Formats: sequence, C-alpha cells, structure tokens
Amino acid sequence: GQNIDQPTEMTATEGAIVQINCTYQTSGFNGLFWYQQHAGEAPTFLSYNVLDGLEEKGRFSSFLSRSKGYSYLLLKELQMKDSASYLCAVIRSSNTGKLIFGQGTTLQVKP
Amino acid sequence: EAGVTQFPSHSVIEKGQTVTLRCDPISGHDNLYWYRRVMGKEIKFLLHFVKESKQDESGMPNNRFLAERTGGTYSTLKVQPAELEDSGVYFCASSQVTRTPGDEQFFGPGTRLTVL
Repeated sequence: GQNIDQPTEMTATEGAIVQINCTYQTSGFNGLFWYQQHAGEAPTFLSYNVLDGLEEKGRFSSFLSRSKGYSYLLLKELQMKDSASYLCAVIRSSNTGKLIFGQGTTLQVKP
Repeated sequence: EAGVTQFPSHSVIEKGQTVTLRCDPISGHDNLYWYRRVMGKEIKFLLHFVKESKQDESGMPNNRFLAERTGGTYSTLKVQPAELEDSGVYFCASSQVTRTPGDEQFFGPGTRLTVL
C-alpha cells in the first residue's frame, strides 16, 4: 500500500519561517516532489529530493530522510503571496513518472 | 514558451451525459499524464501516455473513461456516461522524455467538472 500524510492546514505570520512536514509509506521510492498550488491555478514545481539531506533554493528548502520516510518543506521570510496549498508527492518507480500525492497543506500567511 | 493548456476550464453537465476534456501539453513533451482531484481528497493519477502509447492506465476508475492521444500531441479524456462521483478537477501534466525520475512534470490549470 501507500500512504502520504501532511497537515491539512497551517497558519504563519509574514516574515516568519514555516516548516511543512510530509511522511510517506510507499512500496518503492524514487524521489519526492514538492509542488505549490494557488487556488484555481496549476500546481507548480518547487523541489525534488531523492538523496538524504537538504536542498536549498532561495527562500525555500526541502529536506529528505529516506530511512524515516520523512520530508519537510521550509519556507523562510514568508510573504503574503506564499499563501497557497503545498503538495507532497512521491514517485515510486523509474519506469513511470506516476506521482502519488498527499492531500496537500493549505498555508495561510497573515500580516 | 506556452505551458500546458486545458479546455474547457469548467464544465457542468447532467448525469448520463458525455463530456470530453482536452489537454495540450508543452510542445516536444513526450510524456502526458492525467490526474484527478475529487473534493476533499488528494490528487490521484489516472494514466500516462508516452507519445501516443498508453504507458500506464492503472488509475483509470472504470470503462466509462476513455483517453486518447492521437498523433502523440494533444490528448482527450472522455467520460461517457458521466456519474455524480466523476465531479472534480481534472489535471493534465507533461514532461520531457523520462531520463531520470526527477524530471519535472508541468501541470495545466485543470478542468473543473461538475456532474449534476
């Protein structure tokens, strides 16, 4: 079976740091993606991790621990425009690009 | 460069009717995926094309759903006859030929389907 868990909602303050966690249990693992989705828009790619460790990209960083089945997305210096849904997705096989998504975390950034 | 486009953006139909959704991937992308998000649930995979061939259709819910990608360019997803539980947002995504699992999938804005 497969199971990907994320918190449903989070709230943070503009300028602060927020960490969105994702835990997964899947048969087969070939990497984990984070996508951002604003309401009514297309999901857009943020990061991909396949090896353990932290990947930093500007204000956003993503961490992976394969042994723990755990990832997090770290958003620094939060801006109002960061209010969106953040989707964690696992790719199981190298033979297909099929993504398995969590339910997504809706982040609300307040002034 | 144009992104992934989907048509229509919204569709409202009655139970029993037929609806056809269209996806135009990014030019040159051989991989095309269909996903669906039912309200309150996660985005779920439906199927994957490589050019005009179905690579994986394990997520197709039943035989009321038919996907095609003639000529390996745009794709259509037909639902016939539509049922209430088919309501949701249908996303299309495309990517270049898969060299590594980490190839980014570019998503379209989705088609919101409402079956009454």
